[in-house]
Amino acid sequence: EVQLLESGGGLVQPGGSLRLSCAASGFTFNTYWMHWVRQAPGKGLVWVSRMNSGGSTTLYADSVKGRFTISRDNAKNTLYLQMNSLRVEDTAVYYCTRGRNYYFDYWGQGTLVTVSS
Amino acid sequence: QSALTQPASVSGSPGQSITISCTGTSSDVGGYNYVSWYQHHPGKAPKLMIFEVSNRPSGVSNRFSGSKSGNTASLTISGLQAEDEADYYCSSYTSSGTWVFGGGTKLTVL
Repeated sequence: EVQLLESGGGLVQPGGSLRLSCAASGFTFNTYWMHWVRQAPGKGLVWVSRMNSGGSTTLYADSVKGRFTISRDNAKNTLYLQMNSLRVEDTAVYYCTRGRNYYFDYWGQGTLVTVSS
Repeated sequence: QSALTQPASVSGSPGQSITISCTGTSSDVGGYNYVSWYQHHPGKAPKLMIFEVSNRPSGVSNRFSGSKSGNTASLTISGLQAEDEADYYCSSYTSSGTWVFGGGTKLTVL
């Protein structure tokens, strides 16, 4: 059974940093692209970033480019999202999702990041 | 990249059919057959319902179907059931190599 378990969310002040993790199990992690998608309170889903299976290429939404860094450790079956220079508008539930061709076939339950003073 | 346009809400009675539209541009929905649909019960993990415009993953009821015409994709749910009540999001791959979602549609089963 495919499982994705996010962790690392919490309350952080504007300008602060946080690192999210996504522990994957039930599939061959190093053969899939992985993505982060977020949902601000009361808003819709927004794609944030993706990394290819080998960890050599990344892509970011303009809203997080230069502030967020996606990475993965295929030996640990774990995806990460390093978030720096956090803003109030980054407040959201962050979902880890498995990429399959051009869609997202499995999702985690999300971890809440709150940016507030 | 602007969000795809979905109606904020739709409703229907049990047994009826509803359709949710998802309008984009030639740089996303209209340019690729890479539209997917997700069901999201708040507090739970989103679930893939349709991929590549009209394909259903294994285990998804055949009451769910998808289509596309030009820059607009559609999700149709037939034989509405109470458990279909949820938020639904469309998504498309874009010419920038990124992905864009719709704003979401809240489905109410009356």
